[in-house]
Amino acid sequence: KAGVTQTPRYLIKTRGQQVTLSCSPISGHRSVSWYQQTPGQGLQFLFEYFSETQRNKGNFPGRFSGRQFSNSRSEMNVSTLELGDSALYLCASSLEGAGSNQPQHFGDGTRLSIL
Amino acid sequence: AQSVTQLDSHVSVSEGTPVLLRCNYSSSYSPSLFWYVQHPNKGLQLLLKYTSAATLVKGINGFEAEFKKSETSFHLTKPSAHMSDAAEYFCVVSADLSGTYKYIFGTGTRLKVLA
Repeated sequence: KAGVTQTPRYLIKTRGQQVTLSCSPISGHRSVSWYQQTPGQGLQFLFEYFSETQRNKGNFPGRFSGRQFSNSRSEMNVSTLELGDSALYLCASSLEGAGSNQPQHFGDGTRLSIL
Repeated sequence: AQSVTQLDSHVSVSEGTPVLLRCNYSSSYSPSLFWYVQHPNKGLQLLLKYTSAATLVKGINGFEAEFKKSETSFHLTKPSAHMSDAAEYFCVVSADLSGTYKYIFGTGTRLKVLA
C-alpha cells in the first residue's frame, strides 16, 4: 500500500508570494491533518479535514488555508508569505481521524524556505 | 482535559544499553496512545499504538511500551540501543474533547546514542 505522498519536497519562495502544498493520503483514509514544524516552536497543528470538511483548526492566521477533495487528497495554501513561515510542513492521514483509535501516517513533508 | 507530557527533552545512552523514554498522559477515559519516531528531515513514523487491548505493546525495531493506568504512563523502552535509534520521539494521544477531536502531541524527546 502506498504511503502518504507530499509534493513538492522542497520549495523556495520570497516574501509576499503564495504557495500551495499537496498531500495524497493512503488509499481509504478519510482524515488528513497538516502540521508545521520548526526548531523554535516544534510541531504545531494547522488543521484537520475529514470527508472534505474542516473538522478542527489550530491557532494560525487566516493566511493559512486548506481544502480536501472528494478523493481525500488535500492541499494547503499559504498567502503573503513571511520569513517566519519557513518550516517543514507535514501531512498525515488516518482512517477515522482524531478521536478514534486509529493512528496517523505521515508523509516526509515539504521543506519550505522563504527568502 | 487531556494532555501528554514527555518528561525528558533529551536522553543520552550508550550503544547496547537500554533505552527508556517517559510519557505521562491525562485522560478522563481510556485513551488511544501512540509513539512515533522522526529522523532528520523525515516525517514521523509510527512505532507502536495502544488501543485498550494488551497493556504491553510491541512495536517495530525492538521497541515496546507498557500502558499503566494507575500511573497514567506509557513509557517507551528498548533493551539495547542501536546507533540508528538516534532520533526524536513523540508520544501522542488521540482525544475526544466533548466533540472536538484532536491528536495531542508531546513536546518530543531527542535520543542520542553514544558509540
